[in-house]
Amino acid sequence: DQQVKQNSPSLSVQEGRISILNCDYTNSMFDYFLWYKKYPAEGPTFLISISSIKDKNEDGRFTVFLNKSAKHLSLHIVPSQPGDSAVYFCAASQGGSEKLVFGKGTKLTVNP
Amino acid sequence: AAGVIQSPRHLIKEKRETATLKCYPIPRHDTVYWYQQGPGQDPQFLISFYEKMQSDKGSIPDRFSAQQFSDYHSELNMSSLELGDSALYFCASSSRQRATFSYEQYFGPGTRLTVT
Repeated sequence: DQQVKQNSPSLSVQEGRISILNCDYTNSMFDYFLWYKKYPAEGPTFLISISSIKDKNEDGRFTVFLNKSAKHLSLHIVPSQPGDSAVYFCAASQGGSEKLVFGKGTKLTVNP
Repeated sequence: AAGVIQSPRHLIKEKRETATLKCYPIPRHDTVYWYQQGPGQDPQFLISFYEKMQSDKGSIPDRFSAQQFSDYHSELNMSSLELGDSALYFCASSSRQRATFSYEQYFGPGTRLTVT
C-alpha cells in the first residue's frame, strides 16, 4: 500500500514558467514532509521541507504548500530552469526523526 | 560542507556471496538510515541507528545485518546474495542532538550493487 503518492510520473514545462509537483498521502500520522531532487546515479538531494503545523514554506525559487485536510502537498518552482530537470521525490515521516516514506517520484523536464 | 560518504560506489558480486557496504555520516550527525532503491522504484527504508543502537527496522531481509560504530559510521552486511538484491543502496544521516538537530535526512551518493 503506497502511503505517499505522486500520481504524475512526468512533467514538462518551459523555462521561466512555474513547475507544480503534487503529492498525496494517506497516513494522517505523518507530520513532516520533504522534497528531494535526484539526478541519475546520485543520491537524493534535500530541497525543502514543511512541518504539519505550517501550511507554507518558502526557500528562494521553491515553495511547498501543505493542505492537511486534503492530505496533499505541492512543490512550486518559480521560475523553472533547465538545471531543475531531475526526478523529484516527495517523502513523509512520522515523528520527525523517523524513517522516510517516499513517493515514486515525478520526472521534471524544463525545456529551454 | 562535508556530505555523507559511501563506499564502495559500485560493487559486483555473484549469487550466494557476501557484501559489506560502508557509510560515513555528516560530522556531528548521530543517526544513520539505510535505504534500498530498485530500478524504477522509490527508496525503501531498511534500517536505522541512533547513537549506535538500532532505532527502527523496515523491510530488511534476515540475510542482511547492520551496525553503527563508536565513530558513528555504519556498515550494512549482506549475505547469501540473490539476484533481486541488485539495487542502489543509500545511506542518509541526520542529527538528534539539541545543538544540531535536523529533521532532514541527508543522503550519500549510494552504492550500486549488482548481483550476477
